[in-house]
Amino acid sequence: QVQLVQSGAEVKTPGASVKVSCKASGYSFTDYTIFWVRQAPGQRLEWMGWIDVGYGDNKYSQKFQGRVTLTKDTSASTVFMELRSLTSEDTAVYYCARRGYSGADLYFDHWGQGTLVTVSS
Amino acid sequence: EIVMTQSPGTLSVSPGERATLSCRASQSVSSSLAWYQQRPGQAPRLLIYGASTRATGIPARFSGSGYGTEFTLTISSLQFEDFAIYYCQQYSNWYTFGQGTKLEIK
Repeated sequence: QVQLVQSGAEVKTPGASVKVSCKASGYSFTDYTIFWVRQAPGQRLEWMGWIDVGYGDNKYSQKFQGRVTLTKDTSASTVFMELRSLTSEDTAVYYCARRGYSGADLYFDHWGQGTLVTVSS
Repeated sequence: EIVMTQSPGTLSVSPGERATLSCRASQSVSSSLAWYQQRPGQAPRLLIYGASTRATGIPARFSGSGYGTEFTLTISSLQFEDFAIYYCQQYSNWYTFGQGTKLEIK
């Protein structure tokens, strides 16, 4: 079965960077795009960016442009999300999600378990 | 950015009854709308895409309808495991989510 397994919780100080991994299994890794979505306390879910694992293309939400980088290790079926210059407002649960498709429909059909990133001095 | 607005914020319903959740888009998204369920401490789970197509393994008591800017998720006979938070999401123009509707036991 499809699984996305993320790395564990992180605690960072303001100004630091965090790198979260997402290991995929149960499907052809290069056939799907992986998104990163975060959920801050009391806030709605928001997409941060995506990486087309097959072609290596990526796109970032304007909100995070310049501060986030998505990379992949195809041999390990793993995608990474690095977020830099952290502030307390980056405290959130970060999810990776596979973008499924059916015709013109695009949706997040499988999600990782989430990684809590806490930014605190 | 397309803003998604869900109502009500909290809905109290008894098990076995029907629940109706609403989602409104700030501009037309055609049928490019998905619904997700999120239980406490868990990741969101895809329920509906294309406004009305149930995802694999989703029970028939979940149904979606709507087009353009107005959408509805209906749960026909609530089971205890259905009490959770529900989010709508549009994918017509990038991706934005609603703020969620909390479905609680009455």
